[in-house]
Amino acid sequence: SQTIHQWPATLVQPVGSPLSLECTVEGTSNPNLYWYRQAAGRGLQLLFYSVGIGQISSEVPQNLSASRPQDRQFILSSKKLLLSDSGFYLCAWRGGREAYEQYFGPGTRLTVT
Amino acid sequence: AQSVTQLGSHVSVSEGALVLLRCNYSSSVPPYLFWYVQYPNQGLQLLLKYTTGATLVKGINGFEAEFKKSETSFHLTKPSAHMSDAAEYFCAVRAMNRDDKIIFGKGTRLHILP
Repeated sequence: SQTIHQWPATLVQPVGSPLSLECTVEGTSNPNLYWYRQAAGRGLQLLFYSVGIGQISSEVPQNLSASRPQDRQFILSSKKLLLSDSGFYLCAWRGGREAYEQYFGPGTRLTVT
Repeated sequence: AQSVTQLGSHVSVSEGALVLLRCNYSSSVPPYLFWYVQYPNQGLQLLLKYTTGATLVKGINGFEAEFKKSETSFHLTKPSAHMSDAAEYFCAVRAMNRDDKIIFGKGTRLHILP
């Protein structure tokens, strides 16, 4: 069966520091991968998605970036965090042309101080 | 463009009472629709999905949803609420001509009263 991992689970970082969040999927190949953010009291915001290695689409201009160095690895990064980057970050995957639903990881709670 | 509207950001029901969470969508193509549940500090879990076929869809934890094309609705129901149902629920629709994306509603937080 497929599983999706995210780490770290929680992170507290000062403003201006770098960020690296990692997501990996097991049990599937060539999945579509997604990064979402949930800010307090708000819904899900799609940040990036990837349909393959090295292929990244950005949905929202911001100081975050994403990379997909391997088929089942998706990384969210920032060179300098802002207070507004605080939130709950979720990674998701979608497998197969006929499967439209997405499956989510456990999330990373990021607090920028 | 597609959109999803969830009526009521907060819904409270008594334990044992009917749960009804409302979702309306807009889509110019046959929609694929989803309901997700999120417990505090966890990721989203797929409750159920509608693609084609039977309009009454059964999901996990006793939830079901009915696709009504004429009303552009996909409301989520459960006959008898349990304390463990307290969570946030998201309705979502596949983006038109973009099989790689789905669009989420803003969510409804369900409170269960003892």
